[in-house]
Amino acid sequence: AQSVSQHNHHVILSEAASLELGCNYSYGGTVNLFWYVQYPGQHLQLLLKYFSGDPLVKGIKGFEAEFIKSKFSFNLRKPSVQWSDTAEYFCAVTPNYGGSQGNLIFGKGTKLSVKP
Amino acid sequence: DAMVIQNPRYQVTQFGKPVTLSCSQTLNHNVMYWYQQKSSQAPKLLFHYYDKDFNNEADTPDNFQSRRPNTSFCFLDIRSPGLGDAAMYLCATSSQLGLRYDNEQFFGPGTRLTVL
Repeated sequence: AQSVSQHNHHVILSEAASLELGCNYSYGGTVNLFWYVQYPGQHLQLLLKYFSGDPLVKGIKGFEAEFIKSKFSFNLRKPSVQWSDTAEYFCAVTPNYGGSQGNLIFGKGTKLSVKP
Repeated sequence: DAMVIQNPRYQVTQFGKPVTLSCSQTLNHNVMYWYQQKSSQAPKLLFHYYDKDFNNEADTPDNFQSRRPNTSFCFLDIRSPGLGDAAMYLCATSSQLGLRYDNEQFFGPGTRLTVL
């Protein structure tokens, strides 16, 4: 079965620290990859997505992610976090094959707390 | 402007008492999804509608039903809620099935269901 693993349940950083959140998936075929963010009390919002092309994807708010096919990974990075980045981050995968209904498979999420 | 609206945000019901959760959208999207998210777990797709066509996930319990009377509204009915059904229920929409580059899913804020 397809699965998505996020290695860290809760990450605590100080402002200006660099961030890297891990995401690995188990599906062996071609995949589309996503990072969603959920700020406290708000809905899930798309941060960035990878479909094809350059494996380094730039998203909103200074986030980026790198798709490394050989490692089945799609780690999220930000060089310098801010207090406003405090949120829960979800990695999600969908298989990209003919007839796919594009169902999202989510990881369990990583809570990021940024100390001012 | 709210795009995917869920009501109520918090719902309390009694064991075995039917409950209905509501989702509406202002995006005029063809597809509406319902996800269940239990504490510290990944969101899990229950079912989706493409227009009036209903698609149930294979492992969604029969206790969960859905209705989509028109493009804008979709309801989640839990016929006999058990304690294990306490969760956050997320509604999402996309313009088409499959996740092509311009067809991301837009999420509502969720309804937190408590079963007493």
